[in-house]
Amino acid sequence: GIQVEQSPPDLILQEGANSTLRCNFSDSVNNLQWFHQNPWGQLINLFYIPSGTKQNGRLSATTVATERYSLLYISSSQTTDSGVYFCAGGSNYKLTFGKGTLLTVNP
Amino acid sequence: DAGITQSPRHKVTETGTPVTLRCHQTENHRYMYWYRQDPGHGLRLIHYSYGVKDTDKGEVSDGYSVSRSKTEDFLLTLESATSSQTSVYFCAISEWGSGTDTQYFGPGTRLTVL
Repeated sequence: GIQVEQSPPDLILQEGANSTLRCNFSDSVNNLQWFHQNPWGQLINLFYIPSGTKQNGRLSATTVATERYSLLYISSSQTTDSGVYFCAGGSNYKLTFGKGTLLTVNP
Repeated sequence: DAGITQSPRHKVTETGTPVTLRCHQTENHRYMYWYRQDPGHGLRLIHYSYGVKDTDKGEVSDGYSVSRSKTEDFLLTLESATSSQTSVYFCAISEWGSGTDTQYFGPGTRLTVL
């Protein structure tokens, strides 16, 4: 099956800083999504992005499908951005998740 | 927010007892999933459904069974719970090929097997 590697595993930022999270896939995917799990455990979908670039407020994501990786950019981070960020990819409707990046944003 | 509920939200049970977790959706999505989340492992797919009475195994299906008799309900059963099945269980729903292929998650069920 597809292997998903996320980096870095942990990231600590000061409020206002920018960050880039990376996701590498062992094989081609036609379904790629980013999720945020807040400190209360709720999982929220951030992007469905099998290719190209999307932006939503301070967050943006870019997927280079031919090179099998995706990047999530967080600009001007806030304490509410803390939590675990997961990427997931797969063929069609089934997803394999990475182990996540634990982001801590300090005030 | 997608209309997904899970019940119960918390459960403590003893080894060897059967347990059933319920996922209910109001979105009429075709695909439903059960994942477990454990420290250091991210989310791992247990079983999924691609329609009423159509289900298949995920990567960690041993010790679990599922049923889907209605579009809106997807049940996960632990036939004889073991301590290794202590985990947080998430249900998810999605469509595919419709242009709205986002996967949405329920609030989770924390299961403790003593």
